[in-house]
Parts: sequence; C-alpha cells; structure tokens
Amino acid sequence: AQSVTQLGSHVSVSEGALVLLRCNYSSSVPPYLFWYVQYPNQGLQLLLKYTTGATLVKGINGFEAEFKKSETSFHLTKPSAHMSDAAEYFCAVSDRPGNQFYFGTGTSLTVIP
Amino acid sequence: AAGVIQSPRHLIKEKRETATLKCYPIPRHDTVYWYQQGPGQDPQFLISFYEKMQSDKGSIPDRFSAQQFSDYHSELNMSSLELGDSALYFCASSSKTGPGETQYFGPGTRLLVL
Repeated sequence: AQSVTQLGSHVSVSEGALVLLRCNYSSSVPPYLFWYVQYPNQGLQLLLKYTTGATLVKGINGFEAEFKKSETSFHLTKPSAHMSDAAEYFCAVSDRPGNQFYFGTGTSLTVIP
Repeated sequence: AAGVIQSPRHLIKEKRETATLKCYPIPRHDTVYWYQQGPGQDPQFLISFYEKMQSDKGSIPDRFSAQQFSDYHSELNMSSLELGDSALYFCASSSKTGPGETQYFGPGTRLLVL
C-alpha cells in the first residue's frame, strides 16, 4: 500500500525567499510521484511528476522536486517565491499507471509581501 | 489543449435527494477516476473505470454508483444524500497509451447538501 506524509500543513515564506514543501512517501514498489497545486475554488493542476529516470524533475512556474529513494522523499522547491504561488499544494503517489492516487493532507503556502 | 470537463460546477441538494455528476475526459483518454475532497481535506479516491469497466474501487459508499459510457464520459450517481456528502468531487482522466501514470483533473463539482 502507498501513503504520503506532508510535513507542515501551513508554510509561510516572504516574497523572494526559498520555498520548500516536504513530502515523504511509503510504497512497496517503485513509486510514481506527483505534485499538484490547487488555487481557491479551483481544480488540481499538475506541477510536476517523477516516473523514472532523472531524479531531479522540473515543473511549471519554476518549481522542481528531487526524488530521493534512500530518504523516501520528494520535496518541492522553488528558489524565489512569488505572490501568485500562494495556494494549496498536494503530493501524491501511485504504484503503477491506471491505479488510484494517494494524496497527502496538503500544505497551504502563504507568501508574505 | 482540451481538459477534463465536469458538470455541473455547483449543485445544491436536500437530504435524501439524488444527484448525478458528469465527467467528460480529455479526448482519447480511456481511464476515468472519481475523487471526493471534503472541506480542508485531501482528495479521497472513490472509483475508476478503464474502457467502460470498473477497474478499481476505493471508499465509495454503497449509496453511490458510477459508470463509464461508450463515449468514455462517466457519471457518478449519488442517492439518499447526507449532509456529510457535501464536498468537492473531482474527476480525472488518463490514457494507457500515453503517459498513463499521470491523471489530469477537472475543475470539480461542488456539492452542498442541506
């Protein structure tokens, strides 16, 4: 079975500061890992994903994440926060194509001007 | 690019009523998933379909049923609605012939049960 833990339900950063959102997963098989962003009253938008290959993946809006198997982590980072980054971020894991996603409980990012 | 379409976007029902949510996947996507997101919670998987057959089942109440039609759209039927069914219902789609591991989500249907 798969599961995801997102440490920190709320994260606040200053505009221009580094964004770091933590995600740890549990999976009995090599995982597929995803980060989605949800703006208020909107759906889930794919930020980036890891399937196989390069462990550092780049996504939209300047975000990137690194898959670290030894740490079972897939933390999301962005070098410089922008006001428009304020949203809810969800990490998700799946064990193979076509299977359900298991989501973390989400991290609400606040960007302080 | 075409996205997942869900209708209606908002729905208000009374307790014990029924509701039908519709999902139109991205063209050429063959797999549809339904998730429920309660207030302040993470999305929880309900059910999925591949090529019109149920492929996986999660925490879907017996009062709910779903199906996928020949044109690949899907409907989630909810009966005997309860206050606790108030949530955001997402549909997602994927393609086994494409990047099958990636699910693309629709904007959701916000259901309020009074």
